[in-house]
Amino acid sequence: QSALTQPASVSGSPGQSITISCTGSSSDVGNYNLVSWYRQHPDKAPKLMIYEDTKRPSDVSNRFSGSKSGNTASLTISGLQAEDEADYYCCSYAAASNTVVFGGGTKLTVL
Amino acid sequence: DVQLVESGGGLVKPGGSLRLSCAASGFTFSNAWMSWVRQAPGKGLEWVGRIKRKSDGETADYAASVTGRFIISRDDSKNTLYLQMNSLKTEDTAVYYCTILLVGGNLPADYWGQGTLVAVSS
Repeated sequence: QSALTQPASVSGSPGQSITISCTGSSSDVGNYNLVSWYRQHPDKAPKLMIYEDTKRPSDVSNRFSGSKSGNTASLTISGLQAEDEADYYCCSYAAASNTVVFGGGTKLTVL
Repeated sequence: DVQLVESGGGLVKPGGSLRLSCAASGFTFSNAWMSWVRQAPGKGLEWVGRIKRKSDGETADYAASVTGRFIISRDDSKNTLYLQMNSLKTEDTAVYYCTILLVGGNLPADYWGQGTLVAVSS
């Protein structure tokens, strides 16, 4: 099972919006509404930010939103803040193999 | 509160074995499908495998990279998840996280332990 494809890095200034893409296939991202997004700060465990493509846990800021089109999911962060600087990972169920696959990760830098 | 506490990590030689444990509390462990996720130093997250609950057959699924070498098991009487790692390779060096993973899981929940480091080196 191949990892999902994410850009290695993105950057933005405070207050701006950025979008991170996550490209898979019809066997994973495009198959079910089961894409999650995680944020990971250095030396910390990942934290769930978006689940089921577009849903946001109650403790996550509404500055975070998820979307999907075909085999590509996206995470958008609006009103960038310094605390958003972290690594972000997408994650999807892979139906054909009954496994789970992560993206390679995207490092977000807040300029 | 949900707690997942991993233990058993350490330094092991290539070809060796190691068993990780994960002590779970704060939820009905026997009802949860549990997963292991790992992260090599400076690298991304990699799903290792998942074990279903007893009522779903207690079957396990694995990533291709560990199939045939790693075995996931559980002891519901002890609220403990295990990862038996055999024929270890240097590329298995990683922090191993015990998780209730929402994706590919059976619960509307997502929790991670703090991880335990496994280093495979001669």
